[in-house]
Amino acid sequence: EAQVTQNPRYLITVTGKKLTVTCSQNMNHEYMSWYRQDPGLGLRQIYYSMNVEVTDKGDVPEGYKVSRKEKRNFPLILESPSPNQTSLYFCASSLYTGGNQPQHFGDGTRLSIL
Amino acid sequence: QKEVEQDPGPLSVPEGAIVSLNCTYSNSAFQYFMWYRQYSRKGPELLMYTYSSGNKEDGRFTAQVDKSSKYISLFIRDSQPSDSATYLCAMKANFGNEKLTFGTGTRLTIIP
Repeated sequence: EAQVTQNPRYLITVTGKKLTVTCSQNMNHEYMSWYRQDPGLGLRQIYYSMNVEVTDKGDVPEGYKVSRKEKRNFPLILESPSPNQTSLYFCASSLYTGGNQPQHFGDGTRLSIL
Repeated sequence: QKEVEQDPGPLSVPEGAIVSLNCTYSNSAFQYFMWYRQYSRKGPELLMYTYSSGNKEDGRFTAQVDKSSKYISLFIRDSQPSDSATYLCAMKANFGNEKLTFGTGTRLTIIP
C-alpha cells in the first residue's frame, strides 16, 4: 500500500530534550516536505526537499533541522524543543516537482513540549 | 492579510443537502488548486486537484476555480454523514518549491 508513515504519532516531552520525528514514503517520491498545523493558522511549511541531499527552508524553519540521506526518508529534528513547537506535524511527498503532481500526507505527529 | 482565506465554520447541514465550501486568495501566481479532506486524527486526503480556471467533477464532488475573482469552490451533492470532516483548500504556484498554501479549513457536519 502506497503511504507516508510518520513516527511517533504522539509524543509528550520536555523543553530542551532533543527529539526526531521520522517520515518514510514507499512511493519512490522525489519531493518531501514537513508542515505544522496550528489552530487559526492552517498548515505551514517548515522544510522541504527536492531530492536526496537537497533541502531548503520553508516558511517557519526556526528551531528545526532536516536531512535527506535516502530518497524514502525525511526526518524532522528538534535539537532543543520549546513550548511554542507544540503542534501537529505532517510529512508530505509527491512524485516529482513541477506540474500536476499532488502531495500525499502522513497521518500526523502530535507533539507536546512542556 | 492571509494569502488564502477560508470560512472556518462550523457548518452543519442535513443529509442529502448540497454543500458549498469556498476560499478566496490574493496571490495571482497560484496556478494549481486543491481540496483536501481531513478526518479527526488523520492526515489531509486529496479530494480534488485542478489547474487554472474551470470546473472539475468527480462523483458527488465538483471543484470550481475562478481566477479572475481569485475564488475557488467545492460543491458536495447528496451529502452523506461520512462527508463530515474538515475541508482544506490549498494552492500552489507554477514554480518554486511545490509549497502548498492552505486555508485554515472548514469543519463540516452532515446531520443524519
